[in-house]
Amino acid sequence: GAGVSQSPRYKVAKRGQDVALRCDPISGHVSLFWYQQALGQGPEFLTYFQNEAQLDKSGLPSDRFFAERPEGSVSTLKIQRTQQEDSAVYLCASSARQGQSPLHFGNGTRLTVT
Amino acid sequence: GENVEQHPSTLSVQEGDSAVIKCTYSDSASNYFPWYKQELGKRPQLIIDIRSNVGEKKDQRIAVTLNKTAKHFSLHITETQPEDSAVYFCAAKDTGNQFYFGTGTSLTVIP
Repeated sequence: GAGVSQSPRYKVAKRGQDVALRCDPISGHVSLFWYQQALGQGPEFLTYFQNEAQLDKSGLPSDRFFAERPEGSVSTLKIQRTQQEDSAVYLCASSARQGQSPLHFGNGTRLTVT
Repeated sequence: GENVEQHPSTLSVQEGDSAVIKCTYSDSASNYFPWYKQELGKRPQLIIDIRSNVGEKKDQRIAVTLNKTAKHFSLHITETQPEDSAVYFCAAKDTGNQFYFGTGTSLTVIP
């Protein structure tokens, strides 16, 4: 595709439900990042993949959050037993290579936990 | 780790005036500094970037300056237009390929 694609665009979950958010990066992009963006705030780092390897997951807020990129392309961010504080926009971004390459963002998934 | 601070948090200017947004960073090894524009409900979009071996870069009405010694970089928008109204984020990329974002500046251009 022409850009980073995320689905669903909106997700409403009841507290305690599990959710899965999908990211389809730009074809050929090696690096993939997940960010959480609260209203009025900048993107906060969650986790980073280089190809299929998860190189950094230090930003994941709890063990309820899990991300994978098994074939080095599509990635899924899973949140188990959702809580109200998980409500945010989840942004996925990819970049072509390490070094001085910009991030290209998807439109995000707005998660609302009721 | 890297810490990026951004000021001001809100900025209002009259149409045609200039707008300046400033960021500082803490890690002297950071080597790449992109700026993103985010309109309400939309994705952040890259508007300009600068690499650590360059002091200034300009693209039409937008320019970015970098002072490596002082560890700060600034976004300059000249001849502002209403469509420039958005939230702007600065970022710094460290040698570990991590991006650190500022908290954003909400720019309003008053017609």
